[in-house]
Amino acid sequence: NAGVTQTPKFQVLKTGQSMTLQCAQDMNHNSMYWYRQDPGMGLRLIYYSASEGTTDKGEVPNGYNVSRLNKREFSLRLESAAPSQTSVYFCASTQVGTGFSYEQYFGPGTRLTVT
Amino acid sequence: QKEVEQNSGPLSVPEGAIASLNCTYSDRVSQSFFWYRQYSGKSPELIMSIYSNGDKEDGRFTAQLNKASQYVSLLIRDSQPSDSATYLCAPCTDKLIFGTGTRLQVFP
Repeated sequence: NAGVTQTPKFQVLKTGQSMTLQCAQDMNHNSMYWYRQDPGMGLRLIYYSASEGTTDKGEVPNGYNVSRLNKREFSLRLESAAPSQTSVYFCASTQVGTGFSYEQYFGPGTRLTVT
Repeated sequence: QKEVEQNSGPLSVPEGAIASLNCTYSDRVSQSFFWYRQYSGKSPELIMSIYSNGDKEDGRFTAQLNKASQYVSLLIRDSQPSDSATYLCAPCTDKLIFGTGTRLQVFP
């Protein structure tokens, strides 16, 4: 049982390049999330997906797109990377619904640098 | 204004002391809360959840929820250097929005 996995762990991009961050969970959770974390800013929600086939914007969605490929996988795409997107990105998942605690499980993070 | 507010710190306490971490919230969010701990360079991990008014104790940790005053707190008794981390408060909702976190430093 791997929990939440993220790839890659580290990435350096040049301004204008694109890339996709991958996230997968094996806990059969229905909800998945993408956060970014910058020094002094805490965790900020980029996008979330309450169920397969649905996605919603969070606090800071501009410059990102997401795809909920299936119940297990939720990817985050940067179409044209900018230095302001240098950050640590965390994926998380939880089971939402009656009788569940909404406790989130986090992946190990992806450290992205845009030069 | 963010729905959940925390003092970013750092909060410095000596080893063995009680560390008190606070979080205030707007009345628009859930009135159940999580406390997460995040070590430097690591991902957040859940340490406490509180779903009703009052206190909840788990080992050296006590979470307190005061709905009338709209704050939730985390007390760490007998603080250890290994407790040095950032502590994040979040309401229990399907769209989990975190506070900015409070950095705790416990010195020997």
